[in-house]
Amino acid sequence: DGGITQSPKYLFRKEGQNVTLSCEQNLNHDAMYWYRQDPGQGLRLIYYSQIVNDFQKGDIAEGYSVSREKKESFPLTVTSAQKNPTAFYLCASSTWMERLSGTEAFFGQGTRLTVV
Amino acid sequence: AQTVTQSQPEMSVQEAETVTLSCTYDTSESDYYLFWYKQPPSRQMILVIRQEAYKQQNATENRFSVNFQKAAKSFSLKISDSQLGDAAMYFCAYRDNAGNMLTFGGGTRLMVKP
Repeated sequence: DGGITQSPKYLFRKEGQNVTLSCEQNLNHDAMYWYRQDPGQGLRLIYYSQIVNDFQKGDIAEGYSVSREKKESFPLTVTSAQKNPTAFYLCASSTWMERLSGTEAFFGQGTRLTVV
Repeated sequence: AQTVTQSQPEMSVQEAETVTLSCTYDTSESDYYLFWYKQPPSRQMILVIRQEAYKQQNATENRFSVNFQKAAKSFSLKISDSQLGDAAMYFCAYRDNAGNMLTFGGGTRLMVKP
């Protein structure tokens, strides 16, 4: 079955450590996204990538980094520079916008990151 | 930058009744897509309905329909015959054609009373 997989589901990090969240998709989608969701809040865009080896900052990119070396993978690193990293992180993917088949984004199950 | 606003943090509806969730957005683009997503307690994001900006006809998916007013930049979701399983967070989202960014509103928590 095609889909988008995030791992791990739960992640604990000590203060001052970097941590990487995995996101893999086998939907052959070009675009991939990372969102942060705080309790009772909406989704805020961290980074997005439209094509391999290219990505753009979203609204809250500070303290995060990404790479897009393969079409299927878009890992997110939460660095020690992120002052308040405890949150729920969602990865999504979608095809390019096309007039006849413009499509929604498909989401992973999310990763809950807790700083201890 | 595009913004999406959901002015109702919480809404409540009686089972079998109809409820409308509001969404407004700001954009200078003429070609874009709008979506409503549902997020139940499992936190899995589920697409409810989508609307292409170039289509005047409002989208409908079973009990869910939208009222798309392009000039007013308004995109409301109507849920008819509400069911207990409709209780969730609902997010309005905008996607442009130029950069493929997907922007979300702050969400509306819908409670369904039996």
